[in-house]
This record gives sequence, structure tokens and C-alpha cells, in this order.
Amino acid sequence: GAGVSQSPSNKVTEKGKDVELRCDPISGHTALYWYRQSLGQGLEFLIYFQGNSAPDKSGLPSDRFSAERTGGSVSTLTIQRTQQEDSAVYLCASSYQGFPNTEAFFGQGTRLTVV
Amino acid sequence: QQQVKQSPQSLIVQKGGISIINCAYENTAFDYFPWYQQFPGKGPALLIAIRPDVSEKKEGRFTISFNKSAKQFSLHIMDSQPGDSATYFCAAIPKGTYKYIFGTGTRLKVLA
Repeated sequence: GAGVSQSPSNKVTEKGKDVELRCDPISGHTALYWYRQSLGQGLEFLIYFQGNSAPDKSGLPSDRFSAERTGGSVSTLTIQRTQQEDSAVYLCASSYQGFPNTEAFFGQGTRLTVV
Repeated sequence: QQQVKQSPQSLIVQKGGISIINCAYENTAFDYFPWYQQFPGKGPALLIAIRPDVSEKKEGRFTISFNKSAKQFSLHIMDSQPGDSATYFCAAIPKGTYKYIFGTGTRLKVLA
């Protein structure tokens, strides 16, 4: 497809379980971002990738959160031992270079519900 | 801490009216100010963006006004239509970085 693809679109998990969220960025985009959107809230920055490296992980809420990117393409956000406060929509975005003034294209998000 | 404050939280406008959403920032080192539009169940999409060396930018019915001295920027939607009903986010990107810092969003409803 031409856009940023995220899977699954919805995920319901039990508290304490691990989850993996996947992002397929637009082909050729070197920069990849993960954001979190809680109900009625803005967009919270989690992590940024340039290629396969993550120069800024400062937004990850705790050490239960981790992310990786392989082949300069697909990225996986992993949440271990999920908690109810992790429930949110997790959005992935990609851009051509990641420099300022370059449009970031967002996927439709993964809605995570921890019960 | 770098922040972008957005208001109002929600807005109801009659069809044909003008919708105005305001944002203010606290750090002078921002150098790019995009606005994103988000429909329910969709990811945000870029609507319009401005650099601080420009005081106004217009694209169709959408206009950004930028006041550098007041550290404020706003989105004006002229002739608002029901199809404009969505959540709008302002954002700012610190100079020399890549990190979009978003406002908390404004839920706009345009009545038919």
C-alpha cells in the first residue's frame, strides 16, 4: 500500500501480558515515529528512529516499553507486562528524512485495550 | 519543558461560519508549525504548515496566522462545512530536531 500500515488495528489483552504492535512505514521513508494518543488527549511522543537506530527514546514511559526497527523498514513496539494505563491508541508515522519541515504521515493506529 | 498549549478544547460552529483555533508555545526555538486534522478512527493528516518567518499562510479555506512576538499561532477555517468536523492538532518542531510536539487537540463540530 501507499500509506503507513499498522497492525493489528485493535488489540485487547489481559493485564500482565506482553503485546507487540507493528508498523510498516512508507517505502523509502528513513524516519519513523511512535506516538501514543490517550482518550481525549493529545499526541504523546514515544520514540523516533532514523534508519535502524533510535536517537531519541526519551518518550518511552517505562522500561516495560521497547521498540526496534529492522532493515530500515518495519518497526515493532513491544509493551511488556501490560497495565491498564497502557490502554490508548498507538500511532506510527514516517517521513522521508526526519528533518524539520518534512511531513510526517501517520498510520491509522492500533487501539490497545488492557483489561 | 517545551510545550504547546491549544484552545479551545471543543468548538461548535454553524455551517458557513469561521472556526478559530489557537495555539501558544513557550520556547522560542521552534521553527516549524504544522496543523494536523484527524477524523475518527483515522490517523492525523497534515492540513497546513507555516514557518516563523511568515506571518500568514492561506490554502483554500484554511489560513494560519503566526504572531512571533506573542508566540502564538492560529488556524482559521473560513466558510466552515460539516465535513470539516474533526479533531485539529497544532504542533511545533524545535529547531534542528525532528520531534513533533503536539497540542492537546480541538474537537470541531460544524452544524449543518
